[in-house]
Amino acid sequence: DIQMTQSPSSLSASVGDRVTITCRASQSIRSYLNWYQEKPGKAPNLLIYGASSLQSGVPSRFSGSGSGTDFTLTISSLKPEDSASYFCQQSYSTPWTFGQGTKVEIK
Amino acid sequence: QVQLQESGPGLVKPSETLSLTCTVSGGSVSSGSHYWSWIRQTPGKGLEWIGYIYYTGSTNYNPSLKSRVTISVDTSKDQFFLKLRSVTAADTAVFYCARIAWAASAGSGHYFYMDVWGKGITVTVSS
Repeated sequence: DIQMTQSPSSLSASVGDRVTITCRASQSIRSYLNWYQEKPGKAPNLLIYGASSLQSGVPSRFSGSGSGTDFTLTISSLKPEDSASYFCQQSYSTPWTFGQGTKVEIK
Repeated sequence: QVQLQESGPGLVKPSETLSLTCTVSGGSVSSGSHYWSWIRQTPGKGLEWIGYIYYTGSTNYNPSLKSRVTISVDTSKDQFFLKLRSVTAADTAVFYCARIAWAASAGSGHYFYMDVWGKGITVTVSS
């Protein structure tokens, strides 16, 4: 199975900050990388697919980059509603696997 | 707007079978443009993909669960189902159903992604 490792596991940032979350795959997954946002009691929300394609309806402050083994999710200007957990997921090969998550808190 | 809703018992006894239903509203499992998936989340292992099904009944399972899992679909009711046999406490989790969409990739493949999720259902395995 392809292992997905996210860093950091948690972070605290202020409104307006630029936030970067990293996801590393144990082998090349080309651009087959998705990012999700999860809030307690709510359905997870797809943010980015194909490493850098913004899902329809997702604010443009979210962006994704990377290919091969190293990927980044960036929130350009953090808003209070971005307090959540964020997960990466590879769809290069089954079994699809997820990162362990990054919890973003607002200072 | 497509919505997914998980349902089923919140408590299952060890060695029994966990059975969950995902009901699709605002859309159809027979659309042909999507696959339908189950995922679970535990504090210890995080998110784990269980498997997916196409409306034709074609399935793909996580090998770690394949011997105990069956995913099926009822197109007449716009529902798909999860059965997990011989459960133990380690199967206690939040279970999600999700819709899988795809888009053409730069190469010859497709990007698969889960674009609509249910809110999840907590299932506890305990006697």
